[in-house]
Amino acid sequence: NAGVTQTPKFQVLKTGQSMTLQCAQDMNHNSMYWYRQDPGMGLRLIYYSASEGTTDKGEVPNGYNVSRLNKREFSLRLESAAPSQTSVYFCASRYGQDYGYTFGSGTRLTVV
Amino acid sequence: LAKTTQPISMDSYEGQEVNITCSHNNIATNDYITWYQQFPSQGPRFIIQGYKTKVTNEVASLFIPADRKSSTLSLPRVSLSDTAVYYCLAVTGANNLFFGTGTRLTVIP
Repeated sequence: NAGVTQTPKFQVLKTGQSMTLQCAQDMNHNSMYWYRQDPGMGLRLIYYSASEGTTDKGEVPNGYNVSRLNKREFSLRLESAAPSQTSVYFCASRYGQDYGYTFGSGTRLTVV
Repeated sequence: LAKTTQPISMDSYEGQEVNITCSHNNIATNDYITWYQQFPSQGPRFIIQGYKTKVTNEVASLFIPADRKSSTLSLPRVSLSDTAVYYCLAVTGANNLFFGTGTRLTVIP
């Protein structure tokens, strides 16, 4: 039982490049989330998917897109990376509103 | 969306009980209180959750008074491995969790 798996763990991009962060969970959770964590800022929600087939914007969605590919997978895409998107990205999932969140181990992204 | 206020940092000696208090003055009727623990280079990990009174599990206890405007996470007999950042959240079925900056607990030998 792997929980929430994120790939890659580290990535360096040049400004303007694109990439997709992958997230998969094997807990049959309905909801999935993407957060970013910056020093001194806590975690901020980028996008979430309350259930398969739906996605919604969070607090800081600009510059990102998401795809809920199926119940297990939720990807985050940066179409044109900017240095301001340098951050640690966490994917999370939960079964429902009465349950806690399970987080992945994060992707450390640097945009130069 | 109820925001929470916690101390920025705390120090404790190994073996002591640690109490971290969280203030949530504008908590909504349907909100429940959830605590997460985060180690460096890892994602947050769920610790405990409660609505009112006291909840205890194998890791911690959570005390929530009747007015629910604050809560206290209690960690019994901390060890060096409990050094981490602890986040208090007021959570509903809403999907935008406000993590804030948490409380950085340092356990001293």
